[in-house]
Amino acid sequence: DTEVTQTPKHLVMGMTNKKSLKCEQHMGHRAMYWYKQKAKKPPELMFVYSYEKLSINESVPSRFSPECPNSSLLNLHLHALQPEDSALYLCASSQGGDRGRGTEAFFGQGTRLTVV
Amino acid sequence: AQKVTQAQTEISVVEKEDVTLDCVYETRDTTYYLFWYKQPPSGELVFLIRRNSFDEQNEISGRYSWNFQKSTSSFNFTITASQVVDSAVYFCALSERESGGSYIPTFGRGTSLIVHP
Repeated sequence: DTEVTQTPKHLVMGMTNKKSLKCEQHMGHRAMYWYKQKAKKPPELMFVYSYEKLSINESVPSRFSPECPNSSLLNLHLHALQPEDSALYLCASSQGGDRGRGTEAFFGQGTRLTVV
Repeated sequence: AQKVTQAQTEISVVEKEDVTLDCVYETRDTTYYLFWYKQPPSGELVFLIRRNSFDEQNEISGRYSWNFQKSTSSFNFTITASQVVDSAVYFCALSERESGGSYIPTFGRGTSLIVHP
């Protein structure tokens, strides 16, 4: 099983709404990532969790709040977003740790977010 | 500075043609990892191949082949006898040791491949 599952697949939200994106993997991976991808651009790293602790925050605005409740789940809480935050949000996981050094990341299908 | 350069923004070919997607990378590390991913219109990034910096052996997998040359810092990807289903955006990525000790992939801008019937 090399599957990373993201829900929802599509989300439309207003600028005053609060919503959450969810990501789940059952590969025993200990590193999980959030990427943001605008149209015709490469994925850009937002956050990295390593062993359920936030290890990298790429200076992401506080209106994006990540959470890692356990080793299989990763959430991204959204609040007071702007229209320019509309994008494809991708979750990924990789083995992590010294054993997982340089191993490939597996990606979910993403959540297409539209902020109106 | 861009660490992964995919100079070809878009390539258009006719089915059964061979096509090569170029990737040039930049790193000061001696240990690093290179990847190719495929992103079809559905959005999911599909892992294709991983190479570490100590393994310059070229690889062939069906119609796909990869040419890794450290001397020119290139990791090119060739599709032989292209098919319409190969139409997608292809990303080359570099993973090198970050300050926190992690290896995080950094993506090139991607090459959009369009295969016409």
